[in-house]
Amino acid sequence: EIVMTQSPATLSVSPGETATLACRASQSVGNNLAWYQQKPGQAPRLLIYGASTRATGIPAKFSGSGSATEFTLIISSLQSEDLAVYYCQQYNNWPLTFGGGSKLEIK
Amino acid sequence: QVQLQESGPGLVKPSETLSLTCSVSGGSISTYYWSWLRQSPRKGLEWLGYIHNGRSTNNNPSLKSRVTISVDTSKNQFSLKLSSVTAADTAVYYCARAIFGAMDVWGKGTTVTVSS
Repeated sequence: EIVMTQSPATLSVSPGETATLACRASQSVGNNLAWYQQKPGQAPRLLIYGASTRATGIPAKFSGSGSATEFTLIISSLQSEDLAVYYCQQYNNWPLTFGGGSKLEIK
Repeated sequence: QVQLQESGPGLVKPSETLSLTCSVSGGSISTYYWSWLRQSPRKGLEWLGYIHNGRSTNNNPSLKSRVTISVDTSKNQFSLKLSSVTAADTAVYYCARAIFGAMDVWGKGTTVTVSS
């Protein structure tokens, strides 16, 4: 099973600033990497798939990059509505696996 | 717009079988991959398995052979059965649609507690 490790566990950022979240895979997953946003009390929401392709309706403030074992999600112009936990997920190998999440706090 | 809704008992006794159904509206269940996932403080987000084309399935080996996923195309629903449950199976259970392995549509989730 591929282990996905996310960092930092918690990130506190001021409104208007940019947040950078990292995700590392225990072995190469190619570009088969997705990012999700989960707000309190809600189901996860797909932001990015294919490591860098935004899902339908996702604003350009969310951008993904990386390949193989190292991936990054950048969230620009942070607003209070971006407060959430962000997860990465690989779909290169079965079973599909998720990272432990990065909690984004807005100062 | 495709929408998913989980339904089933919120309380299951230890050693019994957890049964949940996901109703799909706004689209046909005959295409795409349809998955079950769960989320708990202990294990985080965990993919349980999927069904595709009404019969092709793939399950998470960590659950051994406890997971069964089936589909009822006449009702546009798919179902999860998890046998021999323990307290470790207490979680929020989600159904989701998958494209290329990424879950692009999720149900709201349903909380299942395993307790006597």
